[in-house]
Amino acid sequence: DIQMTQSPSSLSASVGDRVTITCRASQGIGNDLGWYQQKPGKAPKRLIYAASSLQSGVPSRFSGSGSGTEFTLTITSLQPEDFATYYCLLHNSYPLTFGGGTKVEIK
Amino acid sequence: EVQLLESGGGLVQPGGSLRLSCGASGFTFNTYAMSWVRQAPGKGLEWVSGISGSGGNTYYADSVKGRFTISRDNSKNTLYLQMNSLRAEDTAVYYCAKGSRPARPVIRSDFDYWGQGTLVTVSS
Repeated sequence: DIQMTQSPSSLSASVGDRVTITCRASQGIGNDLGWYQQKPGKAPKRLIYAASSLQSGVPSRFSGSGSGTEFTLTITSLQPEDFATYYCLLHNSYPLTFGGGTKVEIK
Repeated sequence: EVQLLESGGGLVQPGGSLRLSCGASGFTFNTYAMSWVRQAPGKGLEWVSGISGSGGNTYYADSVKGRFTISRDNSKNTLYLQMNSLRAEDTAVYYCAKGSRPARPVIRSDFDYWGQGTLVTVSS
């Protein structure tokens, strides 16, 4: 199975900060990676697909980059509604694998 | 508008069985692979099982293989998860999720829509 390592597991940031979250795969996965935001008690929401494509309706302060084994989700100018937990999803092979999650908290 | 509505969760004793359902609307159901994803209390997301649009191909996480069965009834636009031999560690919110690309296998497309989830609690 391909292993996914998501980092950091949590971070504290202020409104207006730039935030970067990374997922590393144990082997190359092309661009078969998505990013999701989840708020407490809610279903996950897709932000990014195919590593770098922005889901319709998602603010442009969210962006994804990378291919192969290293992928990054960047939030420029963090907003109050962005405090949540973020997950990457590898869908290149079975089993589909989520990263461990990154909880973004208010500093 | 795409809608996914799970049902069938509840409290079940260890070793028991439960069947989850996910009713779908707003898209051509038989064109898209579907999956079940779960989240244990306070934990991260775990993919559980996936099924192709036709229902002919099914896939499972090792943690549920041999105990859970995914199926779909395309005439009823409904996805199912039959869960047998349930264990305490199966306690979680179970989400159904729609594959994002038509006519693609479970892999090669991520999830663009999710249901609201249904809670399964395995406890004596």
